[in-house]
Amino acid sequence: DQQVKQNSPSLSVQEGRISILNCDYTNSMFDYFLWYKKYPAEGPTFLISISSIKDKNEDGRFTVFLNKSAKHLSLHIVPSQPGDSAVYFCAAWILQGAQKLVFGQGTRLTINP
Amino acid sequence: EAQVTQNPRYLITVTGKKLTVTCSQNMNHEYMSWYRQDPGLGLRQIYYSMNVEVTDKGDVPEGYKVSRKEKRNFPLILESPSPNQTSLYFCASLKILAGGSYNEQFFGPGTRLTVL
Repeated sequence: DQQVKQNSPSLSVQEGRISILNCDYTNSMFDYFLWYKKYPAEGPTFLISISSIKDKNEDGRFTVFLNKSAKHLSLHIVPSQPGDSAVYFCAAWILQGAQKLVFGQGTRLTINP
Repeated sequence: EAQVTQNPRYLITVTGKKLTVTCSQNMNHEYMSWYRQDPGLGLRQIYYSMNVEVTDKGDVPEGYKVSRKEKRNFPLILESPSPNQTSLYFCASLKILAGGSYNEQFFGPGTRLTVL
C-alpha cells in the first residue's frame, strides 16, 4: 500500500518557467512532509519541509503547499534552472511510534534551456 | 565535514554469499536507517535504529539484518543474498530533537548491489 504517491514519473519544463511537482498521501497521521532532491550517483538531499499544521512554506525559489483536506502537497520551483534537473522525492514523517520516513516513487524533473 | 559514509559503493556478488554493507556517520546522530531504492517504488525503509542497541523493522526487512553496537555505525547484513535484493541501498542518519519535531535526515551516497 503506497501511502505517499507521486503520479508523474517525469516532468519537463523550460528554463525560467515554473516547475510544479505534485504528491498525494493517504495517511492523515503524517506530521511533516518533505521534499528531497536526488542527483545520479548521490544520496537524496533535503530540500524543504512543511509541518502538517501549516499550508505553505517558502525558501528562496522553492515553495511547498499543503492541502490537508485533499491530502495533497506540491512543490513549486520558480524560476526553474538547469541545475534543478534531478529526481524529486516527496516524503512524509510520523513523529509518534515508528518515526519513519515514507517516500513517494519520485518524479524526474528536466529543465530545458 | 558532516557526512554519512557507506562501503562499498558498488558490489557484485552471487546468491547465498554473506555480505555486509557498512554505514558510518560523524554527526553523533541517534537515529539511523537503511533504505532501498527500486524503480517505480521510491525509497523503502528496511530497518531503523533509534539509538545504540535499539533497532526495529521498517517496511521491507525480510532477508536483512542490522546491528547498532556503536552510535556512529549501522551495518546492513545480508546473510544469504538473493537476486531480488539487487538494488540501490542508502543509509541515513538524523538527530532527534527534544519535543519530537522533525529534523533533517542526511543520506549516504548509496551502495549499488547486484546479486547474480
